[in-house]
Amino acid sequence: GQQLNQSPQSMFIQEGEDVSMNCTSSSIFNTWLWYKQDPGEGPVLLIALYKAGELTSNGRLTAQFGITRKDSFLNISASIPSDVGIYFCAGQKETSGSRLTFGEGTQLTVNP
Amino acid sequence: DTEVTQTPKHLVMGMTNKKSLKCEQHMGHRAMYWYKQKAKKPPELMFVYSYEKLSINESVPSRFSPECPNSSLLNLHLHALQPEDSALYLCASSLGGLLNSPLHFGNGTRLTVT
Repeated sequence: GQQLNQSPQSMFIQEGEDVSMNCTSSSIFNTWLWYKQDPGEGPVLLIALYKAGELTSNGRLTAQFGITRKDSFLNISASIPSDVGIYFCAGQKETSGSRLTFGEGTQLTVNP
Repeated sequence: DTEVTQTPKHLVMGMTNKKSLKCEQHMGHRAMYWYKQKAKKPPELMFVYSYEKLSINESVPSRFSPECPNSSLLNLHLHALQPEDSALYLCASSLGGLLNSPLHFGNGTRLTVT
């Protein structure tokens, strides 16, 4: 089936550091979404991207929709302890209807 | 707080039990979804309802039976489950299942089958 390659799989950083994670695919997506999931909770939408090349910020988070439509990255600046969690990218294709393709997730640990 | 509400938060059931998971949203969304999530894995799509009609069934075993009584409610009826069905069951909704309509998830029901 469809796959999104998300990296890194896990990150251990110090508070205050910047973080970058990305998703790549061999096929084109029309929408890229970034979610964060805390333990015991559902994924929370962080940023939605709809156009190739689009760069969108949400507070300390910045995400970009790759120009080739096959990749996206998420940056977190000046990390804080509450940034801990699993970050998932998800892509949506025009031909897939309501189906999202998820990456495998990036587990982020922030040491105070 | 999530705007998609799921109950119960936790559920333990035996393999011969019948139980139901419930989901509610009042955002006016017309597409609702059931996902299954194993620990540290991404969510896996099970069912999609669009305008109260089942539009996608991802070859889910018949021991899982979805129901959409109205545009705000989504149920998942469970019967004769197996221990490997233990997982976090997530409900989600979106405006209309269109591309520019991201999914919003509830906090899930943690299901344990004994």
